[in-house]
Amino acid sequence: DIQMTQSPSTLSASVGDRVTITCRASQSISSWLAWYQQKPGKAPKLLIYKVSNLESGVPSRFSGSGSGTEFTLTISSLQPDDFATYYCQQYSSPWTFGQGTKVEIK
Amino acid sequence: QAQLVQSEAEVKRPGASVKVSCKASGYTFTSYYLHWVRQAPGQGLEWMGMIHPSGGTTNYAQKFQGRVTLTRDTSTSTVYMELSSLRSEDTAVFYCARWLRIKNAFDIWGQGTMVTVSS
Repeated sequence: DIQMTQSPSTLSASVGDRVTITCRASQSISSWLAWYQQKPGKAPKLLIYKVSNLESGVPSRFSGSGSGTEFTLTISSLQPDDFATYYCQQYSSPWTFGQGTKVEIK
Repeated sequence: QAQLVQSEAEVKRPGASVKVSCKASGYTFTSYYLHWVRQAPGQGLEWMGMIHPSGGTTNYAQKFQGRVTLTRDTSTSTVYMELSSLRSEDTAVFYCARWLRIKNAFDIWGQGTMVTVSS
């Protein structure tokens, strides 16, 4: 199975900060990577698909990049609504997720 | 708009089975795979398996092979996830999610169903 490792596990930041979350795959996954945001008590929400494509309705401060085994999610200017947990996910059978990165208020 | 609505929370004894439903609406039910994802309290997301509602084809994560069964009812646009031989470690929120092939991502999620396993 392909393992997905996110870093950091927790990130403390302030409103307006630029935030970067990294996701590494145990083997190449080409461009089959998505990012989700999850808030407490809620289902995950798709943010980015195929590495860098912004889901409809998602603010443009979110962006994704990478290829092969290393990928990043960047929030250009953190907003109060962005404090949440973020997961990367690769598309291969079996589907696997990163362990999550919690973005908390500094 | 497209949505997935799941059944209510359940409390089960160890050794019992639970069957969670996921009703689709707002799109062609038989055109998209539906997946199930488990999330234990305070933990991450874990893929369990998937079903194609058209022919009922399934694929299960090895970890859940033999304990999970996915079925569907096309007349009601509903998929079911049954997990047997429950143990306390199965206490979790279970989500159904639609796989959108053109995006290779889960674009719609159910609201989640909490299953508590306790004696």
